[in-house]
Amino acid sequence: GDSVTQMEGPVTLSEEAFLTINCTYTATGYPSLFWYVQYPGEGLQLLLKATKADDKGSNKGFEATYRKETTSFHLEKGSVQVSDSAVYFCALSGGAGRRALTFGSGTRLQVQP
Amino acid sequence: ETGVTQTPRHLVMGMTNKKSLKCEQHLGHNAMYWYKQSAKKPLELMFVYSLEERVENNSVPSRFSPECPNSSHLFLHLHTLQPEDSALYLCASSQDQAGGPDTQYFGPGTRLTVL
Repeated sequence: GDSVTQMEGPVTLSEEAFLTINCTYTATGYPSLFWYVQYPGEGLQLLLKATKADDKGSNKGFEATYRKETTSFHLEKGSVQVSDSAVYFCALSGGAGRRALTFGSGTRLQVQP
Repeated sequence: ETGVTQTPRHLVMGMTNKKSLKCEQHLGHNAMYWYKQSAKKPLELMFVYSLEERVENNSVPSRFSPECPNSSHLFLHLHTLQPEDSALYLCASSQDQAGGPDTQYFGPGTRLTVL
């Protein structure tokens, strides 16, 4: 079945540091890939998405490129802020014809001033 | 900013109570979802409704009963829950298309505690 693997957290960085959160996936078909962010006490918010190979999703300084050859969708940001502290979820949809999202386990990011 | 609202935001109930969670989407979507988020576990899909018809049911215990009266509203009826059912319950919606489902948009969730 479909699956998403994310790096274990928490990831602790200083403000203005470079961020990478790794995400790899296994899926049949041609899934779309997503990054969602969950701030404390809130639901999930869509951060960015990519629907086909080599697409780059970007939003609020975050970027991720859909790499079919390595089945990866790593999240990057050049300079993190304290306000970026949250849990980040990688997800895929459309694999094996399913509607629902398959989520990774989430990576907690803590940014220190 | 979200077009998906959930009520209540917090709920505490005893194991013998009956309660309902409500979700409403204002995005004109035709598919709605219930997910469960427990501590230290990936988000788990519970139910999917497309055009008000249940199309996926992920082996959820019968003490959880979904209802989708129209494309804008989704309920989760709860009865005789167990303490391990304590979790954040998230509702989402999307627009099903010929090429497959579009992006899912989530509500803020209902934090459920079962005593």
